[in-house]
Amino acid sequence: AQTVTQSQPEMSVQEAETVTLSCTYDTSESDYYLFWYKQPPSRQMILVIRQEAYKQQNATENRFSVNFQKAAKSFSLKISDSQLGDAAMYFCALQYNFNKFYFGSGTKLNVKP
Amino acid sequence: EPEVTQTPSHQVTQMGQEVILRCVPISNHLYFYWYRQILGQKVEFLVSFYNNEISEKSEIFDDQFSVERPDGSNFTLKIRSTKLEDSAMYFCASGSYTFGSGTRLTVV
Repeated sequence: AQTVTQSQPEMSVQEAETVTLSCTYDTSESDYYLFWYKQPPSRQMILVIRQEAYKQQNATENRFSVNFQKAAKSFSLKISDSQLGDAAMYFCALQYNFNKFYFGSGTKLNVKP
Repeated sequence: EPEVTQTPSHQVTQMGQEVILRCVPISNHLYFYWYRQILGQKVEFLVSFYNNEISEKSEIFDDQFSVERPDGSNFTLKIRSTKLEDSAMYFCASGSYTFGSGTRLTVV
């Protein structure tokens, strides 16, 4: 069975500062994908970043980067230079072989001006 | 960037009524999914669809739910007799990770 755990229900960061959101997972699959999605108040699910498990290099997308520790089954999201528009719910998710997503319970990120 | 389009964006319906939620997936994708998210809760899987048939469904996806791809482009989720607890955000996903903008269903 696959599980995804986000242990931080809520986090706050000062504008322009850096914040790291945690995610751990469990899977017996060897080939899988990990994702971070952003859900603003509009409730859209916006893909932030994607990591393929077989790639050792951490994915980056502009101010967003991940720290993927495969052995530890950890997949944290770092947001640099936080902006007010980054305030949202963030969901970590796992998927393998075009099967369903397994989502974490989410972390609400507040950004203080 | 190709998009997944969902309509309507918001639907209000009376309890016991049938609703059809529509999705236009990305054209060359073969895998489609429906998820739902009750307000304040995590995203839950409903059903996956591949090669014009259901490939997996969750316990939530009971006889009240059905999916179709009626014309080769649209992908629909039907709820036959809505209950109050069906009120949620419903997301269609295409390919593996592209989500639509969702339909907010409110059952009154």
